[in-house]
Amino acid sequence: AQSVTQLGSHVSVSEGALVLLRCNYSSSVPPYLFWYVQYPNQGLQLLLKYTSAATLVKGINGFEAEFKKSETSFHLTKPSAHMSDAAEYFCAVSTDTNAGKSTFGDGTTLTVKP
Amino acid sequence: DTAVSQTPKYLVTQMGNDKSIKCEQNLGHDTMYWYKQDSKKFLKIMFSYNNKELIINETVPNRFSPKSPDKAHLNLHINSLELGDSAVYFCASTRTSTSGVETQYFGPGTRLLVL
Repeated sequence: AQSVTQLGSHVSVSEGALVLLRCNYSSSVPPYLFWYVQYPNQGLQLLLKYTSAATLVKGINGFEAEFKKSETSFHLTKPSAHMSDAAEYFCAVSTDTNAGKSTFGDGTTLTVKP
Repeated sequence: DTAVSQTPKYLVTQMGNDKSIKCEQNLGHDTMYWYKQDSKKFLKIMFSYNNKELIINETVPNRFSPKSPDKAHLNLHINSLELGDSAVYFCASTRTSTSGVETQYFGPGTRLLVL
């Protein structure tokens, strides 16, 4: 069984501030974890994924996430928010190499204020 | 060049009609997926095909029928459309995993509105 919880459906930060989007997961076996970004009227785009190679995963657009097994967390961070980061962000977990068996979180809307 | 494309981008139709959504990928992938994203942005897998063979078939009404004529195409036909079918439908594709999990590439979505 697998599940993922994104804490905070809406996060608002000022331009230049730290971005922190929270994701906690539950799985019975070591998971694969993903963060996706969805811009308005577009499909999802993979930001980064954890596949057990390294606990700190660096992704595109300056984002990174750290896998913490003890906390069952995979929070997404970016040191300095940019206006173009405003979007919907989804965390997903899979216990299968078939990505289609991922379970997605409910999403977090990131707003960036000038 | 668009990696995963869907047509149409928007679809407005009456209840009871039958409609199809098409998906094509030019990435050389052999696994394709259909997802449904509802008005609350909740994303759920519907179907997955690998080399034209159905490998994931979630609890979806049998009014929805996927068809994969070849590895590069996965179409979704919906019969007797209902109001609750209104959503955004995303197609995605991956290579078959040889180790680890492959990256999914998503299409831009088809926005279906049933009146």
